Parts: sequence; structure tokens; C-alpha cells
Amino acid sequence: QVQLVQSGGGVVQPGRSLRLSCEASGFSFISYVLHWVRQAPGKGLEWLAVISFDGGKKYYADSVKGRFAISRDNSKDTLYLEMNTLRPEDTAVYYCARAVVGADGALDVWGQGTMVTVFS
Amino acid sequence: EVLMAQSPATLSVSPGERATLSCRASQSVGSNLAWYQQKPGQAPRLLIYGASTRASGIPVRFSGSGSGTEFTLTISSLQSEDFAVYYCQHYNNWPPITFGQGTRLDIK
Repeated sequence: QVQLVQSGGGVVQPGRSLRLSCEASGFSFISYVLHWVRQAPGKGLEWLAVISFDGGKKYYADSVKGRFAISRDNSKDTLYLEMNTLRPEDTAVYYCARAVVGADGALDVWGQGTMVTVFS
Repeated sequence: EVLMAQSPATLSVSPGERATLSCRASQSVGSNLAWYQQKPGQAPRLLIYGASTRASGIPVRFSGSGSGTEFTLTISSLQSEDFAVYYCQHYNNWPPITFGQGTRLDIK
């Protein structure tokens, strides 16, 4: 069964850090471009970051550039999002997602989402 | 950055009827356009990519059309499970990737 299983969310104070994980199963992890997307409570979807097959290329939304870091461990079939200097406006459900082969920006498999609350 | 605008914000349609959702890009995105369905408490589900290609397992009542700046998602005969929020998203010359603000499809 093709799936992405997320972990690592929670409540954190402003300025602190948190790392999200996204473990893949049921497909060849190394063959796919992977993304992170978030959704603030009651709001729409916001793309955050993307990483290439081998992790050599990474791109970020301006809203998180310099604070968040995307990475992957192909030996563990796991994607990560390291979030630093968290702000209240980072409060959201965070999703990892797999890209369609040949259409690297279309996202065909999503994790279940993990809530991050930045709250003092 | 390409801005995506969806209309209407809310659409009320009766089961069995056709629903037409629109998405406009602030500049041409070619056919690099995807549509997603999201139900409360769930992750988004890819419906259409490449403007008109149905994703795996998506029923034929869902169809996408358009290119450049104007796109349409049509649901030919609404089923009860189709009432949800729908998002368009471009992936042309990215990053960044941007989503529309969503259209909520309600039961009339």
C-alpha cells in the first residue's frame, strides 16, 4: 500500500524548533520528488518546500526560507522538515506529499497531516 | 509569483446536477495545472493534473479543461461524496508553487 506516514508535530513556544518526519512505504522512495505543504486553521493550502530525488536540489517558499530546512534519508525512506525560529503564524497542519512522475509539482500521495501549534 | 484565483468561493448544487468550477492564473501556466479535493479533517486528494489528466482512481465524472490562464473543473453528475472544497494549483516554472483559495461545493 502506497502511503506516507507523518510524525513529529505538537505544541511549541515561539522561537523554538521542531522536526517533522514523513516515512514512505509501498513505493520506490528514491524515485520521487517530495514536497511539504501546510494549511493554517480554516485557511487554504500553502506550498513550503521541495526536494529532488537525491536531495541535491531544494527550494523554499519565501515565508519559510532561512528558517525551515527540507531533507531526506533515502536509506530510511524518510522525508524531514526541520523548522527553526517558529512563529505563531506557522501554526498549521503540515503535510508531506509525493510528486507525480513527470509532473513534479502535482502531488498524488499525501501524508495524513500533523498539527503544529506555536503558542506561548 | 503566479497568483491563482478561483470562482465562485461557494457553489451550491443539487445531487445529480453538473458543477463547474473555475480557476484563473495571473499569467500563463501552460497546462501545468492540478485540481485537488479536500474533505474536512482529511488531506487533499489529487483529481486532475496536466489540466486534463485524471489521477489514478478518479471517477470519469471529474474532468478538467483549459490552458494558459483559464481552467475549469467539471463534475458531471454530483454524488453525495463530492461535496467538499476544491483547490487548483499551478506548477509552471516553479518554485514557487501556488494554490487558489478554494471553492466550497455545498449541497443545495
